This record gives sequence, C-alpha cells and structure tokens, in this order.
Amino acid sequence: AQSVTQPDIHITVSEGASLELRCNYSYGATPYLFWYVQSPGQGLQLLLKYFSGDTLVQGIKGFEAEFKRSQSSFNLRKPSVHWSDAAEYFCAVGMEYGNKLVFGAGTILRVKS
Amino acid sequence: DAMVIQNPRYQVTQFGKPVTLSCSQTLNHNVMYWYQQKSSQAPKLLFHYYDKDFNNEADTPDNFQSRRPNTSFCFLDIRSPGLGDAAMYLCATSREEAGISYEQYFGPGTRLTVT
Repeated sequence: AQSVTQPDIHITVSEGASLELRCNYSYGATPYLFWYVQSPGQGLQLLLKYFSGDTLVQGIKGFEAEFKRSQSSFNLRKPSVHWSDAAEYFCAVGMEYGNKLVFGAGTILRVKS
Repeated sequence: DAMVIQNPRYQVTQFGKPVTLSCSQTLNHNVMYWYQQKSSQAPKLLFHYYDKDFNNEADTPDNFQSRRPNTSFCFLDIRSPGLGDAAMYLCATSREEAGISYEQYFGPGTRLTVT
C-alpha cells in the first residue's frame, strides 16, 4: 500500500530565508505527487503537482518541487520565505488509476521576522 | 471563478441530532469526495462519488452517509453525531478521464461542533 512520510512536524524559518520541506513516498508504480497548503480554518489549496515529464515542477506562490525517483522523494522548496507562507503543508500521493489520495501527516511552517 | 463551495462554514449540532453538510461545485468535475480532518491530522477520506457511483471507504462508520443528486451537488449526512465526530469536513472534486484521476480541488471546509 502507498504511504507518505513527512519527517518534520514543525519547521521554523526566518523571513527571507530559504525553505525545504521533505516528503518521501512509498508506491510501487508511477506516482502522482502533490503538495497542498492549508491555512488555519481553511481548505487545502493545491501548490503544485507532478504527473510525468520534467522532474522539477513549478507551482504557485514561488514554490517548486523536485521528484527524485531514486530517493522516492518529492521535496518542496522556496528560495525566500514570506510571513504569509506560514501554514501547514501536506504532501500527497495518488495512484495512476483510481481516485484515492494518501496524505502525509503534514508539516507546520512557522515564519519568524 | 470555478470553485468548490461548502455550506455552512460552521455548524453546531447536538449530540445525536442529525446534521447535513452541503457541497457544490462549478468545475463540472465528475468525481466528488468527502474528507474528515481532525485537529492536527491529515484529511481522511470518508467516501467519494464517481459520477453517481458511490464508493465507501472500508473504515467509514455507518453513521456517515452521502447523497449526490446531480453533478454539481453532494451532501454529507451524519445520522447521529457523537462528540468524536467534531471535525473539519472537506469536500473535494476532481476530473477523471480514461481511468486517470487528476488533482483534487478542495472547498473551504465546514467546521462541525457537537455539543
């Protein structure tokens, strides 16, 4: 069965610093990979997705993620964090066929000024 | 803008009193999902509709039911809410073509409180 691990429960970075959120997945076939962001009391917003092709994908709000098949990873990065990026970030894997998304436990990002 | 709408945003119900949460979408997606998200946890899929076909997750309690009267609307019914059902309920939609399911779009959620 597929699974997603986000090893960092909380991360604190200074405003303007770079950010990397880690995500490792377990899935035997070609994964569909997603990063979602959730602000307190809100729904999930899709940041970016990987289905196939270029392993470096660009998303909204200046985020990017790199798919590394050899490491089963899909880490999220941003070169310069803004205070408004403080939120919870979820990595998710979807099957090539089927409707189910499996989410990681989430990483809470705090931004200090 | 095309979107997923959930009503109400906040719902308070009494222990054991049936409650219905509503979701509508303007994306014309053929798949609709209901998730339960408890505090500090990842969303947990309860069930989903592929068109009119209902797909229940194995561990979803019988207390939770759903209806999809048409493409645009989907309802979550909790027949006898318990204190443990207090959570954020998220509706999502996606497009599925030729067996491939694309990204899910989420509504803002309904925060359910059970007193």
